[in-house]
Amino acid sequence: GDSVTQMEGPVTLSEEAFLTINCTYTATGYPSLFWYVQYPGEGLQLLLKATKADDKGSNKGFEATYRKETTSFHLEKGSVQVSDSAVYFCALSPNSGNTPLVFGKGTRLSVIA
Amino acid sequence: EADIYQTPRYLVIGTGKKITLECSQTMGHDKMYWYQQDPGMELHLIHYSYGVNSTEKGDLSSESTVSRIRTEHFPLTLESARPSHTSQYLCASRQGGDYGYTFGSGTRLTVV
Repeated sequence: GDSVTQMEGPVTLSEEAFLTINCTYTATGYPSLFWYVQYPGEGLQLLLKATKADDKGSNKGFEATYRKETTSFHLEKGSVQVSDSAVYFCALSPNSGNTPLVFGKGTRLSVIA
Repeated sequence: EADIYQTPRYLVIGTGKKITLECSQTMGHDKMYWYQQDPGMELHLIHYSYGVNSTEKGDLSSESTVSRIRTEHFPLTLESARPSHTSQYLCASRQGGDYGYTFGSGTRLTVV
């Protein structure tokens, strides 16, 4: 079945460091891909998405490119801030669009000043 | 401003009690979902619904039930709470295929 694998955390970075959180997927057809962020004590928020190969999603300085040839959707940010400390989830929507999203296990990011 | 609301925000309850976690959305979304989030952060799908009078079981559904009588309302009921139910419960809704979920803020349940 469809699955998402993302790098295990926790990831600890200094402020202004470069961030990469790896995400790879297994799916039939052409899934849509998402990154969600969860701040402490809150639900998940959609951070960005991409719906077809080579699409780049971006928001709040974060970017991810849908790479079909490597089945990847890595999250990047050039300069992290303390306020970026959160848990990040990669997810896919199977081709049918009706079945539930498939989530990775989450990666906890801590940014220290 | 949240378009999907979960109540209560926090709940402490004794073992064996019956509880209902509420979830309502104002976006007119047909698809709704319940997830349990363990302390290790992983999300486990409990139940979902494609619309009114439609409910489906997820991976972790055996000890709970849901109903979908109105589009905007998708309550989750635990018939007999146990300490193993202590967790965060997240409700979400969705417009359609290319759209992601909108999540509520969650209910943090503690069973003592």
